[in-house]
Amino acid sequence: NAGVTQTPKFRILKIGQSMTLQCTQDMNHNYMYWYRQDPGMGLKLIYYSVGAGITDKGEVPNGYNVSRSTTEDFPLRLELAAPSQTSVYFCASSQPDRLRSDEQYFGPGTRLTVT
Amino acid sequence: QQPVQSPQAVILREGEDAVINCSSSKALYSVHWYRQKHGEAPVFLMILLKGGEQKGHEKISASFNEKKQQSSLYLTASQLSYSGTYFCGTEIWAGTASKLTFGTGTRLQVTL
Repeated sequence: NAGVTQTPKFRILKIGQSMTLQCTQDMNHNYMYWYRQDPGMGLKLIYYSVGAGITDKGEVPNGYNVSRSTTEDFPLRLELAAPSQTSVYFCASSQPDRLRSDEQYFGPGTRLTVT
Repeated sequence: QQPVQSPQAVILREGEDAVINCSSSKALYSVHWYRQKHGEAPVFLMILLKGGEQKGHEKISASFNEKKQQSSLYLTASQLSYSGTYFCGTEIWAGTASKLTFGTGTRLQVTL
């Protein structure tokens, strides 16, 4: 199993450009998440999904959009990039149930710079 | 609301022990602990569930006080490989989904 994979690893965007960060998992997990991590800080939840076709906002969703058409893929779209979106973006997946939480598996991250 | 971790940073000599604390203002379903090395993704260490169930790392232990909404991570006989930033994640079930809110982290450095 490859686990959670993310592309690209690095990207530099100009202000106002758009891009899609790709995330794929091969563990058949229903839950997927997008986080951003600013330098020296913790992880902030952007969006999450509990299954194909179902997404919901996290703490910091403004400026981002997501879709979940398959169990495996959970792309994150940045529209009109701003310098405040310079960060490292992590995708994660898990398979919790109502009675028992479970660990989140993280992808390697995408380092994005907006200038 | 983000959980509060303490201390913010700690330096240990190899073989020494450390305790990292995590405190929340909300009632919790579970507490997760992750370790992140510089430039890498967070890696799971442990989950502590409401009711006392635990799942995690053999060499690392933790406690979860549900009434006080606090958790502590105990690192004993530290090794160089323990260096990194430790994050707690506090979990709340909201409807049909659970969400983790991560603390700002505790930076641990183990030296010879």
